[in-house]
Formats: sequence, structure tokens, C-alpha cells
Amino acid sequence: EDKVVQSPLSLVVHEGDTVTLNCSYEVTNFRSLLWYKQEKKAPTFLFMLTSSGIEKKSGRLSSILDKKELFSILNITATQTGDSAIYLCAVEARTSGTYKYIFGTGTRLKVLA
Amino acid sequence: DTEVTQTPKHLVMGMTNKKSLKCEQHMGHRAMYWYKQKAKKPPELMFVYSYEKLSINESVPSRFSPECPNSSLLNLHLHALQPEDSALYLCASSQGMVRDSGNTIYFGEGSWLTVV
Repeated sequence: EDKVVQSPLSLVVHEGDTVTLNCSYEVTNFRSLLWYKQEKKAPTFLFMLTSSGIEKKSGRLSSILDKKELFSILNITATQTGDSAIYLCAVEARTSGTYKYIFGTGTRLKVLA
Repeated sequence: DTEVTQTPKHLVMGMTNKKSLKCEQHMGHRAMYWYKQKAKKPPELMFVYSYEKLSINESVPSRFSPECPNSSLLNLHLHALQPEDSALYLCASSQGMVRDSGNTIYFGEGSWLTVV
């Protein structure tokens, strides 16, 4: 059975700290891994990763994929209170000729002022 | 434009009611999805439409009935729901199978459903 596991489940840090969120997966026919940020509404897209070892970066956020060890990390440096959210990892995998996205449980991040 | 539009944003319905959730995208995406999300849980896949055909049904009860009238629209018809069906229902879309290098899935704002 396909599965995506995120760790830690929750994290509390202070502003300015650096955090690393983990996502490991076991799926057949992997195609891509995506990171999303979810506050009170729908998830918003952060990164899509398809190749190992290539870092994607956007401001204070960065992410990298390891397809050999089947995991990805999301780093947030100099955290701010606005980074408080649930961070979701989703893996795009092919099943029955169709691609679907399997979500991890999410990591709930709280950044204290 | 990376917009997926869902209506209504909020819906309260009785267990004997029939209602529908609507979703629209104009990005030319050929895959559309319905997800259900309960509080503090990740989105759970319900249905996938690919090129307007139902390609995945994740064993969803028949009281949920999806419909894809055309490539831009996706509906979810609701009938005889239970209080435990109360959740955030998310519509999403992606390019589909046309690209080999992976697709980004874009979510709508969601429809908050309360069944009383």
C-alpha cells in the first residue's frame, strides 16, 4: 500500500529558529513530490520536486528530494510567526493508469514571537 | 491564472436534503479531484476525473456522486448524508497525464459542509 509519512507531527519554535520538516514515502510509480502550506483554508503550493539532489528555494524556504532513500526535507530558516501552519507533503504516484496524490499526515508548525 | 473556484463556500444541510458542490477551473487542466478533509487531518482523496472520465473512486459511499459535465467543471452531488460527513471538501486540478515531469495540483478554497 502506498504511504507518505511526515515527521515530526508537530513542532513549536521561536522566531528566528531554523526548522527541518521530513517526508518519507513508499509508493509505486513515483512521479513527483509536492510541499504545501495550509493555514485556515485550502493548501497553497510551495514546491514540486522530481529529481534527486536539486534544491528548490523560495526566500527562506528550501526543499530537496532523495529518490534513493525515498524522502524529502523542507527547511525554513529565520522562522516568523506567519510561518505557523500545517505543512503537507504529497506524492504523485501512478495507479490504474491514473496519477493521484497521496498526502502525508502533515507537520503542524507553531512559531512563537 | 492558477485558480480553482468552488461554490458554495459554506453549506449546511439536513440528512434528507439533496445538494451539490461545484468546482470550476479554466487552466486547461485535464485531471480534477475531490478531496475530503476533516479537522487536523490531511486531505483524503475521494474521486479523480481524467479527461472527463471517472478514473479513481476511493471506495466512497454512494451518497456522494461526482459528475464532470465538461473539462472545466466538476460537481459533487450530495444526498442522504450523515453528520460524520461534515468536513471541508476540496476540489483540485492538475495538468493530468500530458506531462512526464510531474504536475502541480492546485486546490480551490474548499466548501465547508455541515450536516445536521
